[in-house]
Parts: sequence; structure tokens; C-alpha cells
Amino acid sequence: EIVLTQSPGTLSLSPGESATLSCRASQGFSSSHLAWYQQRPGQPPRLLIYGASGRATDIPARFRGSGSGTDFTLTISSLEPEDFAVYYCQKYGSPLLFGQGTRLDIK
Amino acid sequence: QVQLQESGPGLVKPSETLSLTCSVSGGSLSSNNWWIWIRQPPGRGLEWIGDIYHSEATNYNTSLKNRVTISMDTSKNQFSLSLTSVTAADTAVYYCARDGPYNNFEIGHWGQGILVTVSS
Repeated sequence: EIVLTQSPGTLSLSPGESATLSCRASQGFSSSHLAWYQQRPGQPPRLLIYGASGRATDIPARFRGSGSGTDFTLTISSLEPEDFAVYYCQKYGSPLLFGQGTRLDIK
Repeated sequence: QVQLQESGPGLVKPSETLSLTCSVSGGSLSSNNWWIWIRQPPGRGLEWIGDIYHSEATNYNTSLKNRVTISMDTSKNQFSLSLTSVTAADTAVYYCARDGPYNNFEIGHWGQGILVTVSS
């Protein structure tokens, strides 16, 4: 079974800086099956990126997804205060898999 | 716009059965979509429980497979989760969700979640 490993576990940055979040899979799969989510406290996850690089409706352009095969990246440029949250990657399928999450903290 | 809403008891006793319902509005359970249950223990990550398609097909997390059943009532536009023999480890926020709306390999529609605590 494929395992998704996100790194780092926690990332401490300041507003205005850029964040690079990694999602690495133990086996390669189609990039169309890779999505990224943002979760703020007390809220359900919010879809950010689908198909590894497609931005969901109303998601700001500072969120960019990239990658293929086993290595996927979510880049957030010029961090805004509302971007500090937990981010999950997800592989669709059976089983549907999530990474363990990266917490983006304000430095 | 599809909306999902979980309902059910917030407290379940150990060894009993957890039963939740997801009510769907703005969309039909007969659509070509998978209807999904996901849970999140307090302070932890997301865990897929299982999903259902057209009342014909179900998939379950193998770690829960012997205890979980997902079913659908198209007349009420609801789908349900049943988890038997619960323990404290089943305490979590339970989300119902639907795949889509882009290439159906993402989950773009989520309920707000319901916290279920397993305790005597």
C-alpha cells in the first residue's frame, strides 16, 4: 500500500515569506489523483489543489501545486495571516490516503 | 452547490454502535459521485473510513472493514455510517464528503463535521 509522507511536520514562517510543503509517496501514481487541502482550527478541510496543479475555485494565485510520480509540492508565496493552518496532501483511490499533515505556524 | 450535514449522537458508549447520517442538499445521491466518510481524532490527522457509489459499490478502510458499513437511502437523499464495537480510539470528528467537482479525484464538498465521543 502506498504511504504519503509530508515534510516538514511543522514549518514556522513570517507573513510575507514563502512556504514549500512536500508530499512524497512510497510508490508513484498519476498526478491527477493528488490533491491538497487546508484545514483551519474547527473547520473541515478546504480543497486547494486538484490534479497536483489545478487551483480550486476561489483559491488565491499564491497557492501553487506541482510535481509528479512520487514527489509533489505545495508552494505558498507571500504568506498571508490566514494561511497559517494545517495542510494535507491526499491520494484518491481505494484506499483513499492522506499525508499526516504539515502545520504552518506564524514565526 | 452541494451541501452535506452530519447528524447523530455525540456520545456513544464503548462496545456499542456508532450511527451517523449525512443529509445531502443541492445534489443527488444518484449522481456519478462517490459519497465518503472521513474521520479525524482530536489533534490528529484525517483518516478515510470508506465510501459508497449508487448503493452498488462500497469501499472500506481495511483497518475498520470488519466493523463498518456505509449505506444509502436515495429516497431521503441521505447516506449513513455504522461502526460497531466502538472504543475510545473511535472518538473523532466524523465528516461526510463527496468527490468532485473537477476530475472526481479530489474531495471538494465536505460537511462541517460532528464530534463523536466514545465514553461510558
